[in-house]
This record gives sequence, structure tokens and C-alpha cells, in this order.
Amino acid sequence: QVQLQESGPGLVKPSETLSLTCTVSGGSISSYCWSWIRQSAGKGLEWIGRIYSSGSTNYNPSLKSRVTMSIDTSKNQFSLNLSSVTAADSAVYFCVRSKGANLHIDVWGQGTTVTVSS
Amino acid sequence: DIVMTQSPDSLAVSLGERATINCKSSQSVLYRSNNKNYLAWYQQKPGQPPKLLIYWASTRESGVPDRFSGSGSGTDFTLTISSLQAEDVAVYYCQQYYATLTFGGGTKVEIK
Repeated sequence: QVQLQESGPGLVKPSETLSLTCTVSGGSISSYCWSWIRQSAGKGLEWIGRIYSSGSTNYNPSLKSRVTMSIDTSKNQFSLNLSSVTAADSAVYFCVRSKGANLHIDVWGQGTTVTVSS
Repeated sequence: DIVMTQSPDSLAVSLGERATINCKSSQSVLYRSNNKNYLAWYQQKPGQPPKLLIYWASTRESGVPDRFSGSGSGTDFTLTISSLQAEDVAVYYCQQYYATLTFGGGTKVEIK
């Protein structure tokens, strides 16, 4: 059974870069679509972007200028970088899996809380 | 972006009674070439990630009790819990995956 685990700093200073990694266990990272979703009280569930095992990416237009995603198939990991963060980026960040583009999410990580504060 | 609007924001239902949650999309999520509605429902309990209940608007995920059902097409969808159980207390979200991913604002289901 595939499991996803987010890791990264829980506290990030304003204007700095938020960096998270998702480790995939119990299955291969290949042939799937991997996304980051965040959840905050103010904005609910928000899709940040997705990356395929090929390395191809799509980002939410509202965040596109600040988002970079990457994938390391040898480590079964994918990552999120969100630059120039503000308090509005404080949220629970989830990594998730879909079986392909334009398909539902079938696996969620437990989520990691990130707070932006000095 | 396709905007998903859920109603009501919350509802309280007696144990054993029916709960109905509505979801409306700002444009159709029906893909005519395969006649599939790109709409999913998720259940989220406190401190947990969302859990997939329904996809393609009406297909129940494996292991999901059959008291959960989804219906609708195009822009209007419904999640029904036919006989509410205590463990169904949660927030429910609809989500479209027709064009990237967007979620509804959630409906909180409580016991009356």
C-alpha cells in the first residue's frame, strides 16, 4: 500500500523559501501524477501544482511565479519550493497522488504544518 | 478556474437519518467524449487528510460503505449519506478534476 510522507521545516521566515519533500513508500513514483495541496482556514483546500514522473509540471496560476517542483525517481521523492513566502502561505501542506492527469486523488500524505513567521 | 460551491456550510442530522450535501460547479465538468463527470467527494476528520469517497461523480471508492452515494451531472452534484452513523461526523468536500483541481468550501456534518 502506497504511503506518502511530507518533511521539511515547520517554521519559515517571511520572504524566505519554503521547501518540502514528499517520500513515496510502498510503491513506485513512476507512471503517476504527484501534486501538492495546502489547506488553511482562510482559503480552504488549494491545489499548488503537480509533477509527473517525467518531470513535466503544471502550476496553479495564482502561485506560478513562486513555485518550483522537482522529482527524484531514484529516491522515490518529489519536492516543493515556494519562494518569497508571507503569512498567507501558512498552512497544512499535503502531498498527494493521482493515477494520471485529470484524475482524482487516491492517496494523501498526513500533511505537515508550515508557519511563516519571523 | 472552475469554482466549486457547496451547500449548506453545515448541517445537523439525527443518527440513522439522511444527510444531503450539494455541490455546484461554475462550468460543466462533464467530458462529453467519454460521458464522465470529473467530480470527486472527500471526507475529512479532524487531524486527518481528506479521504476519497466517490469519484466520477458516482463511483464509490473500494471500502467505502454503501450508505455513501453520489449523483448528478454537468454542474450540479449531490453526496448522500443514507443513514448517518456517528463515525460520519466530518467535513465533506467536492472537487473537480476536469481542469486542474479545485475544491468546494466544505460542508460540516454533525449529529443532531
